[in-house]
Amino acid sequence: QVQLQQWGAGLLKPSETLSLTCAVYGGSFSGYYWTWIRQPPGKGLQWIGEISHSGGTIYNPSLNSRVTISLDTSKSQFSLNLRSLTAADTAVYYCARYGPGLPGTGSFYFGPWGQGTLVTVSS
Amino acid sequence: DIVMTQTPLTLSVTPGQPASISCKSSQSLLKSDGKTYLYWYLQKPGQSPQLLIYDVFNRFSGVSDRLSGSGSGTDFTLRISRVEAEDVGVYYCMQSLQLVYTFGQGTKLEIK
Repeated sequence: QVQLQQWGAGLLKPSETLSLTCAVYGGSFSGYYWTWIRQPPGKGLQWIGEISHSGGTIYNPSLNSRVTISLDTSKSQFSLNLRSLTAADTAVYYCARYGPGLPGTGSFYFGPWGQGTLVTVSS
Repeated sequence: DIVMTQTPLTLSVTPGQPASISCKSSQSLLKSDGKTYLYWYLQKPGQSPQLLIYDVFNRFSGVSDRLSGSGSGTDFTLRISRVEAEDVGVYYCMQSLQLVYTFGQGTKLEIK
C-alpha cells in the first residue's frame, strides 16, 4: 500500500522560500503524476502543480513564476519550492499522487495524500 | 479556469435523514471520449481528502452505497440517502477535464 509522508518548515517570513518534501513509500513513480495542493485557512483546495515520473512539470499559472516542483527518484521523493512568500501563501500544503487505479475506467484520481503541512507566513 | 460552484456551503442534517449537495461547473465536463470528468472528495475533520465518487456516479472502493452521484454536463449532485455520524466533514466536487484542476468551495456537513 502506497503511503506519502511530507515535511518542511512551518513558519516563514514574507519574501522567504517555502520548501516541502514528500516521500513515497511502497510504490513506483512510474505511470503517475506527483502533485501539490494547498488549502488556505477556512478555504477550499487549490491545485499548485504536478511533476510526471519522467520529470515534466505543469504549474498553476497563478503561481507559475514562483513555484518549482522537482523529483528525486533515487530517494523516492518529490519536492515543492515556492518563492517570494506573502501572507496569502499561508495554507495547509498537501502532496498527493495523481494517476490511474479506478476499476472499469482509465480515469485518474488524487490518492493517496500526505498528511498535510501547515505553513504560516508572518513577520 | 473552470469554476466549480457548490451549494449549500453548510448542511446540518439529522441522523437518518437524506442530504444533497449541488455542484455546477462553468463549462461542460463532458469530453470527446464520452466521459465526464467530475469527482467528489470528502475531507473528514483533521484528515486529508479522500475520493468518494469518480466519473460522476462511480463509487470508489469501500465507499458506502448510501452515497450516490448523478448529473451531466454542468450540473451534478451528491446524495446521501441516510446521513450517519461518519459522514461529517467537508465535501468537494472537482473537475479534471482540463488543467488547472479545480475544486468547489466545499460543503460542510454537520450532524444536528
